[in-house]
Amino acid sequence: EIVLTQSPATLSLSPGERATLSCRASQSVSSYLAWYQHKPGQAPRLLVYGASNRATGIPARFSGSGSGADFTLTISSLEPEDFAVYYCQQRSNWPRTFGQGTKLEIK
Amino acid sequence: EVQLLESGGALVQPGGSLRLSCAVSGFTFSDYAMTWVRQAPGKGLEWVSTIRARDSSTFYADSVKGRFTISRDNSQNTVFLQLNSLRAEDTAIYYCAKGGYITYYECWGQGTLVTVSS
Repeated sequence: EIVLTQSPATLSLSPGERATLSCRASQSVSSYLAWYQHKPGQAPRLLVYGASNRATGIPARFSGSGSGADFTLTISSLEPEDFAVYYCQQRSNWPRTFGQGTKLEIK
Repeated sequence: EVQLLESGGALVQPGGSLRLSCAVSGFTFSDYAMTWVRQAPGKGLEWVSTIRARDSSTFYADSVKGRFTISRDNSQNTVFLQLNSLRAEDTAIYYCAKGGYITYYECWGQGTLVTVSS
């Protein structure tokens, strides 16, 4: 099973600041990695797929990078609605796995 | 507009069974794999099961293999998850999602709550 480790567990920032979230895989997943945003009481939302492709309707301030085993989600300038939990997920191997999540909270 | 609507969540005793449904609209259901993902209280997302579109082949997490069964009815645009031999650790919100075989989870439902407790 591929283990995805996200860091940090919690990130405290202010609106307007830049957020950098990390996801590291226990083995290479090539570019088969996605990022999701999840707010309490809501459905999760696909943000980035294939490591660096923004999903439909996702603002340009969200960007993904990386390949192999190291990936990054960057939010260039935080908006109030961006504070949520973010998960990475791989589809390279079965079983599909998620990282444990990074909680992005308002400082 | 793509919509996924889960139903069937309930309070059930350990060892009991439940059948979850996810009715979809807004896309050609028979063309897409479908997936169930769960979130236990205070925990992260956990992939549970995927059913392929083309041949309905199925995939399961080890934690549910042999107890849960995923199926689909393309005439009803619905995917199901049969939960048997339920345990306390199966308590979670269960989400259905579009995709998951060669794609990612493009759209998600709002979830249905399953509580396993005596």
